Amino acid sequence: KAGVTQTPRYLIKTRGQQVTLSCSPISGHRSVSWYQQTPGQGLQFLFEYFSETQRNKGNFPGRFSGRQFSNSRSEMNVSTLELGDSALYLCASSRGGPGEKLFFGSGTQLSVL
Amino acid sequence: GIQVEQSPPDLILQEGANSTLRCNFSDSVNNLQWFHQNPWGQLINLFYIPSGTKQNGRLSATTVATERYSLLYISSSQTTDSGVYFCAFRSDSNYQLIWGAGTKLIIKP
Repeated sequence: KAGVTQTPRYLIKTRGQQVTLSCSPISGHRSVSWYQQTPGQGLQFLFEYFSETQRNKGNFPGRFSGRQFSNSRSEMNVSTLELGDSALYLCASSRGGPGEKLFFGSGTQLSVL
Repeated sequence: GIQVEQSPPDLILQEGANSTLRCNFSDSVNNLQWFHQNPWGQLINLFYIPSGTKQNGRLSATTVATERYSLLYISSSQTTDSGVYFCAFRSDSNYQLIWGAGTKLIIKP
């Protein structure tokens, strides 16, 4: 069974640009959640999608958005990049219930110059 | 909101040693989980442990929900155990995963 796949693995952008990250969940998983990890703030929840609908959203500005497709693959978009957006972005998939284990991808390391 | 505190923040041990990592939470939580993040950033779910004790090889975890803490035990440490250990729980109100700050573990050969 293939794991959670995130692409790209590394990304370098400049301020003001936008970026799209992709996450393919484990087959059969309907929930995809996204997290931002920085040395200063630790792991923070961005949002969660379940069956193509955003189910939950963390406290991030509107520049951070996402979507989920009918095959459960999810994309995350960050517009008008700022230096502070440099981080490891992780996605996780699960079946979607509250007690379900989360399975994480390897992450996308985004550097904003 | 509910606060999660992990201790110790850093731990350096020799290979073969045992260790106990602690996670305290400020109120009742459900769905407590333990994760290990290896030095390359990969997060692995170790345990889903809302209460009681579970064991998986050299690792075991215990959650005492009534006293608002969870413990992760690592026995006979190996260098591959190095990394950061996080506890996290799901908020009842919005399923959001709330994370502790982590314990950074270094196992020296």
